[in-house]
Amino acid sequence: GAVVSQHPSRVICKSGTSVKIECRSLDFQATTMFWYRQFPKQSLMLMATSNEGSKATYEQGVEKDKFLINHASLTLSTLTVTSAHPEDSSFYICSSLGGDGYTFGSGTRLTVV
Amino acid sequence: EDQVTQSPEALRLQEGESSSLNCSYTVSGLRGLFWYRQDPGKGPEFLFTLYSAGEEKEKERLKATLTKKESFLHITAPKPEDSATYLCAVRSSASKIIFGSGTRLSIRP
Repeated sequence: GAVVSQHPSRVICKSGTSVKIECRSLDFQATTMFWYRQFPKQSLMLMATSNEGSKATYEQGVEKDKFLINHASLTLSTLTVTSAHPEDSSFYICSSLGGDGYTFGSGTRLTVV
Repeated sequence: EDQVTQSPEALRLQEGESSSLNCSYTVSGLRGLFWYRQDPGKGPEFLFTLYSAGEEKEKERLKATLTKKESFLHITAPKPEDSATYLCAVRSSASKIIFGSGTRLSIRP
C-alpha cells in the first residue's frame, strides 16, 4: 500500500531556531501534500496544502513566513518551522492521497524549549 | 459551512461489548467519508472510505456505514487492542479534508 515516510519522529529545539520536517512518498507520486497540526486530545487542523512545483496554500490564521513549505519533487515535501517558540510545540503530520485513501505520515513531535 | 461532528467524545467498553461510534456531517458535495484509527503519538491509520449513502464496508471487527447525514463505525466484540482514537473525515467538492474531533475508545479486558 501507499506509504508516507515522515522524519524526524521527535525533535527538541531551542527557542529561536528553525526545524525542518520531511515527508516522502515511498511508492507513489504525491502531487499534493497536506500538512496538519494536532494538539493533545484534539483533532487534526489543516495548516496548508502544497502542490509540487508551486506555492503552498495556507489556511486562514497560519503564518506562511513562519511555516515554510517546499514541495520541490513528486516524492518530497518539507515543512520548516522558523524562529520556533514554545507555542509552536505540537504534533505535526503530513498526508497525501495514495492507495485507498489519504495516507498519513507517522507524525513529528516538536518540543520547543 | 462544512462541518464534521463525532460522538461520543470518549467511550469505555468492556471486552466483547459491541457499540457504535457516530460521525455527523454537513458538507457541500461529499467526495468521500473516511475513517481512521490513531494511536497515541502516531499518525492516523486508514480504515475505510465511503462514497455514497447505503454503502457499507467491513474489516475484522469493524463495520462502517453511510447515510446522507451521518456515518457509523460499528465495533463488534471489541478487544483491548481496539483501544484508540477513531477519526472521521470528509472530503468536500472543494477538495478539502475536514476532520471531526475524534472518539477515544477504551476497551477494558
